Amino acid sequence: ETGVTQTPRHLVMGMTNKKSLKCEQHLGHNAMYWYKQSAKKPLELMFVYSLEERVENNSVPSRFSPECPNSSHLFLHLHTLQPEDSALYLCASSQDPPSVYNEQFFGPGTRLTVL
Amino acid sequence: GIQVEQSPPDLILQEGANSTLRCNFSDSVNNLQWFHQNPWGQLINLFYIPSGTKQNGRLSATTVATERYSLLYISSSQTTDSGVYFCAVAYSGAGSYQLTFGKGTKLSVIP
Repeated sequence: ETGVTQTPRHLVMGMTNKKSLKCEQHLGHNAMYWYKQSAKKPLELMFVYSLEERVENNSVPSRFSPECPNSSHLFLHLHTLQPEDSALYLCASSQDPPSVYNEQFFGPGTRLTVL
Repeated sequence: GIQVEQSPPDLILQEGANSTLRCNFSDSVNNLQWFHQNPWGQLINLFYIPSGTKQNGRLSATTVATERYSLLYISSSQTTDSGVYFCAVAYSGAGSYQLTFGKGTKLSVIP
């Protein structure tokens, strides 16, 4: 595997389900990001991790819970989502620190549908 | 926050034609990236270009930071160039690590 990978690529879940999205980067980076891309809206940053510590949380509802167990893996745990949470969720990584100067590289995304 | 405007919003080209996509931003930036999002959603890095000019095959980009715009040139377009092209910027004044994305230019290349 190379670059940034994400699983699953597609996910359909009910509002009462609990699921997790997984991201893995093979670039030797230490900063990782979750972005959300909704229809007709620009990409929005959700969370940033630097050396496995969360450094930014952009007012994301608590039904989204990130986890970064090591510098190569990032998870997004989902529970009691709403239909408006349906979107493409993109993971990215960059060299650390996650400064504005570092180029970010994106995974293929998980397309989430909440019924 | 910083505003990022891309033009045109939609572009249809005949295969083999050339095109120029524009990105205007409202403040000084420290990072500017161009991406191509394919029909499956993958964001592919094209250029990291906070200033200057770069070329990669049929693609080239120029950022004039002092005038707050960037241009992406596509020459001899191919059907595989179809998709959405995003410009994204970051600046230290935001106090965050966020890449702020424009709304994109949707390119359709027809045979």
